[in-house]
Amino acid sequence: KAGVTQTPRYLIKTRGQQVTLSCSPISGHRSVSWYQQTPGQGLQFLFEYFSETQRNKGNFPGRFSGRQFSNSRSEMNVSTLELGDSALYLCASSLSVAQGSSTDTQYFGPGTRLTVL
Amino acid sequence: AQKITQTQPGMFVQEKEAVTLDCTYDTSDQSYGLFWYKQPSSGEMIFLIYQGSYDEQNATEGRYSLNFQKARKSANLVISASQLGDSAMYFCAMSSNNAGNMLTFGGGTRLMVKP
Repeated sequence: KAGVTQTPRYLIKTRGQQVTLSCSPISGHRSVSWYQQTPGQGLQFLFEYFSETQRNKGNFPGRFSGRQFSNSRSEMNVSTLELGDSALYLCASSLSVAQGSSTDTQYFGPGTRLTVL
Repeated sequence: AQKITQTQPGMFVQEKEAVTLDCTYDTSDQSYGLFWYKQPSSGEMIFLIYQGSYDEQNATEGRYSLNFQKARKSANLVISASQLGDSAMYFCAMSSNNAGNMLTFGGGTRLMVKP
């Protein structure tokens, strides 16, 4: 079974621009979560999508948004980029049989490394 | 609120020896899960092992085992017979039924295996 894929793997943008990152989950997985990883803040949860609906959201400004399509693929958008948005963005998918199940294992993709100049 | 603490920023271990990576957690939830992930320099987070809060036996997966001490709120990862390919960042994480699918991560431990 193919793993989680993310595109693009690397991006360079300038301040003020916007960016869209894409994530394809493992086949059959219905939940997609996004995380931001920076040296200063570590790994932080952005949001989770399930059946095309945002089910959970972390503490990030509204410039960060996402969506999920009917085939469970997800996109994440960051508008008006700031230097501090430079990070590794990781996408994870899970089966998510029941909402809020603490047994749900998340499998991660290789990440998209975003650099904002 | 949930919190994960990994107190060892970096560790060295000799090849073929066992190593323990520490993880303590804090939560008020009764039902929660504890996970360990490995992150090589390539960046991908690789799932290693899972322990549920109601599991009475410690989880094992090949060379990985989780030393779960619920009363002390610790979930240490033990890697037996270390290999050079084990050199990576290791993250402890938790989820809970009240937090949905959100994983809370610790700061990580960088493990370096010496030949």
